[in-house]
Amino acid sequence: ETGVTQSPTHLIKTRGQQVTLRCSSQSGHNTVSWYQQALGQGPQFIFQYYREEENGRGNFPPRFSGLQFPNYSSELNVNALELDDSALYLCASSLGRLAGGDTQYFGPGTRLTVL
Amino acid sequence: AQSVTQLDSQVPVFEEAPVELRCNYSSSVSVYLFWYVQYPNQGLQLLLKYLSGSTLVESINGFEAEFNKSQTSFHLRKPSVHISDTAEYFCAVILNNAGNMLTFGGGTRLMVKP
Repeated sequence: ETGVTQSPTHLIKTRGQQVTLRCSSQSGHNTVSWYQQALGQGPQFIFQYYREEENGRGNFPPRFSGLQFPNYSSELNVNALELDDSALYLCASSLGRLAGGDTQYFGPGTRLTVL
Repeated sequence: AQSVTQLDSQVPVFEEAPVELRCNYSSSVSVYLFWYVQYPNQGLQLLLKYLSGSTLVESINGFEAEFNKSQTSFHLRKPSVHISDTAEYFCAVILNNAGNMLTFGGGTRLMVKP
């Protein structure tokens, strides 16, 4: 049990719609990262937030956006959904921004299906 | 760009047999290395990590991995597997100047048979 929760567990949307996924980090964790895991593949880094500011971004288009709130919760928003957005979306929290050795604690994920 | 290659997509093995899951990365700079495990319908759990110091790192459940800089490898081993070790295993790296962005390999499905 990592203390990181995500909602909803599963979600079905249609192409062109917008979706918001939520994550609640461990208390005291200032950094949250979001990853997309397509079926049968490893997770891919979407972006990271540190103290409510974006702190790094992977190779994802601007229709993927996020927010981090002072209460250790965060959101991933995806606009204009495409079929290829179907995946498991994972959030991970860690203590600080640091240089890379900090352990990231993952939530159970949200399974998004786009029809 | 850094990349991580897990050479085996599936590894079937009998219970109590030894196993090695292979991981190679491409980077000419210092890296941090991780192994994560994912059980069905769950998120990722950290198994072990290498940051610096001793090149052999161990987890609490009998897994170990050795950082080999010359071969750019970080293979995961266990001398005797259990049915409960059946899961997907992911190798991941972070460049030491790339914040906290994990780059994952494609995963290896370990299937332990009785």
